[in-house]
Amino acid sequence: DAMVIQNPRYQVTQFGKPVTLSCSQTLNHNVMYWYQQKSSQAPKLLFHYYDKDFNNEADTPDNFQSRRPNTSFCFLDIRSPGLGDAAMYLCATSRALAPETQYFGPGTRLLVL
Amino acid sequence: DQQVKQNSPSLSVQEGRISILNCDYTNSMFDYFLWYKKYPAEGPTFLISISSIKDKNEDGRFTVFLNKSAKHLSLHIVPSQPGDSAVYFCAAMGSGTYKYIFGTGTRLKVLA
Repeated sequence: DAMVIQNPRYQVTQFGKPVTLSCSQTLNHNVMYWYQQKSSQAPKLLFHYYDKDFNNEADTPDNFQSRRPNTSFCFLDIRSPGLGDAAMYLCATSRALAPETQYFGPGTRLLVL
Repeated sequence: DQQVKQNSPSLSVQEGRISILNCDYTNSMFDYFLWYKKYPAEGPTFLISISSIKDKNEDGRFTVFLNKSAKHLSLHIVPSQPGDSAVYFCAAMGSGTYKYIFGTGTRLKVLA
C-alpha cells in the first residue's frame, strides 16, 4: 500500500540536543510538508518542499530545519530543542500544491527532557 | 488569530443517530475545505472535501454543507457508528495559496 511513513513514532531527546525526525513516502508525490501539533491545538505548518524547492513559513523558528535528499524522503532537524518544542510532528504529502488532498503519516511524538 | 474554529471540543452521539460537527471560518478568501478524521496513534486521514462553488457534497454516510454567507461548514454523519469515534478536523485553504489552516478538532464519541 502506498503510504507516508514516519520514524521513529516516539522520540525522546534532551534539552539542547539535536534531533532528526524522518518521513518517507511511496506515493511519489511532489510536495512534502511538516506540521507541528501541540496538545489540543490545530496542526501548524512549519515548511514544505515542492520538489526541491523549500518554503519556510514566516513564523517557523530558525531552530527548525528541513532536508529533502530525494523525492521519497524528507527530514526535520531541530538544532537545539527546547521544552516548548515537545509536540507531535506530522509529515504530509500531496501530488501538487493546493487545492489537493494532503496525505498524512502517523506522526512522531517528541518529548524533550 | 484563529481563522478556522471548531468550537465544540467534544461531542457524544448514540449509534444510529446523526452526528453534526461544525466549523466556522473568518477569512472570506477561503474557497476549499476538507474534513479529516484522526484515530489515536494514527495520522489524519482525508474524509471529504468541498469547493466554494458548491454548498453540499455527499459521500456515503458523510455529507459536508457549506454556508458561505455565514462562513460556516458542517459535517453530517448518518447513521453514526461506533467506528466513527475519532477526532475530526476541518481545514480551509484560500484561492491562490498553498496551505491549509486547520481547526483544533472535535472529538466524536459514538455510543453503542
